[in-house]
Amino acid sequence: GQNIDQPTEMTATEGAIVQINCTYQTSGFNGLFWYQQHAGEAPTFLSYNVLDGLEEKGRFSSFLSRSKGYSYLLLKELQMKDSASYLCAVRDQDYKLSFGAGTTVTVRA
Amino acid sequence: DGGITQSPKYLFRKEGQNVTLSCEQNLNHDAMYWYRQDPGQGLRLIYYSQIVNDFQKGDIAEGYSVSREKKESFPLTVTSAQKNPTAFYLCASSISGTSGSETQYFGPGTRLLVL
Repeated sequence: GQNIDQPTEMTATEGAIVQINCTYQTSGFNGLFWYQQHAGEAPTFLSYNVLDGLEEKGRFSSFLSRSKGYSYLLLKELQMKDSASYLCAVRDQDYKLSFGAGTTVTVRA
Repeated sequence: DGGITQSPKYLFRKEGQNVTLSCEQNLNHDAMYWYRQDPGQGLRLIYYSQIVNDFQKGDIAEGYSVSREKKESFPLTVTSAQKNPTAFYLCASSISGTSGSETQYFGPGTRLLVL
């Protein structure tokens, strides 16, 4: 089975930086995804990592260390619209995705 | 516009009743998936299909059934055997289901409530 852990909640101020950590233990590894989900809506794709290192996309960056089973999503210059749940998901050897419970980020003015 | 549609947005089920959730995509994707989302838990895979007329059980298939008669459509039936059906149900699709890098795209979801 899969085990994916991420913090339940985080709070930060508008304009600040927040880092959401994700640790995982899976049977096989075919990449790690981050999704954003606003309350009551569909998850939307943010990033994909399969090799070690940092992937940067505008205000969002994602890091992966396969040897440590660890990833983080970095959100810079936080805006109110970034208040959402952030889901870490790992693709296993059978190409199925397993999701963490999600981290709810609240951005305060 | 290409995308995934789910209907209805809200669905109410009575005791002992089967209900069917609709999922349609016009992205020409081969693979389709059904997930269940409960508060405080991650998305859990119910069923998935990588080709028409074939589907596989996910981690929590008991009490659910699916069909894949057309590439565009992957309806999910919640049967009376599912004793705790109240949840947010998400349908997703991806190009093939056999590539590490491909993204899954999600529909807007159906919220199922038991009367």
